[in-house]
Amino acid sequence: ELKVEQNPLFLSMQEGKNYTIYCNYSTTSDRLYWYRQDPGKSLESLFVLLSNGAVKQEGRLMASLDTKARLSTLHITAAVHDLSATYFCAVDSEPDTGTASKLTFGTGTRLQVTL
Amino acid sequence: NAGVMQNPRHLVRRRGQEARLRCSPMKGHSHVYWYRQLPEEGLKFMVYLQKENIIDESGMPKERFSAEFPKEGPSILRIQQVVRGDSAAYFCASSQTWGRTEAFFGQGTRLTVV
Repeated sequence: ELKVEQNPLFLSMQEGKNYTIYCNYSTTSDRLYWYRQDPGKSLESLFVLLSNGAVKQEGRLMASLDTKARLSTLHITAAVHDLSATYFCAVDSEPDTGTASKLTFGTGTRLQVTL
Repeated sequence: NAGVMQNPRHLVRRRGQEARLRCSPMKGHSHVYWYRQLPEEGLKFMVYLQKENIIDESGMPKERFSAEFPKEGPSILRIQQVVRGDSAAYFCASSQTWGRTEAFFGQGTRLTVV
């Protein structure tokens, strides 16, 4: 059974600081997603990482994937209050199929950016 | 192009009643996935459907839960004889028919069992 673990589970950081969220998973996969969820809302897709060594950046967020280590990171640079949300990584459980398939989610990291 | 549409957004049911959750996929999408999110947890896969077929229901509880995706109309997640433990947010996602494409999530239905 695929397991996806995120850490930390909760992160309180000051504006302007940098930090990294880690996502480890237990079986081979070359397809990983990062989502943002605001309280009571749906999931907003942030990044899709499709191969080993993939790195994507959008604004103050940068995500990377190391399939050999089974590790993805979400790095936050110079945090601002608007980034406060819960961040989930999700791994494609059956990457060999020809169509999009079910995702296994991490437990989420609740990020709180304080002034 | 409207996104994935779920309704209702909020649903309150008494214990023992039935809950019906609807999901209309994005235009051109014929793959639908249902996920459940308990408070303070990540999403858990429940079922994957294509039109008129259940492809993978490995995450569905064995009793009281069923799902369908008819040829016409939305996908339905049905929960019979609801219990308090069914209270959760239920999200639907859809993806295109071919290739390894990303699934897009709806706004969710928040079910409260009282």
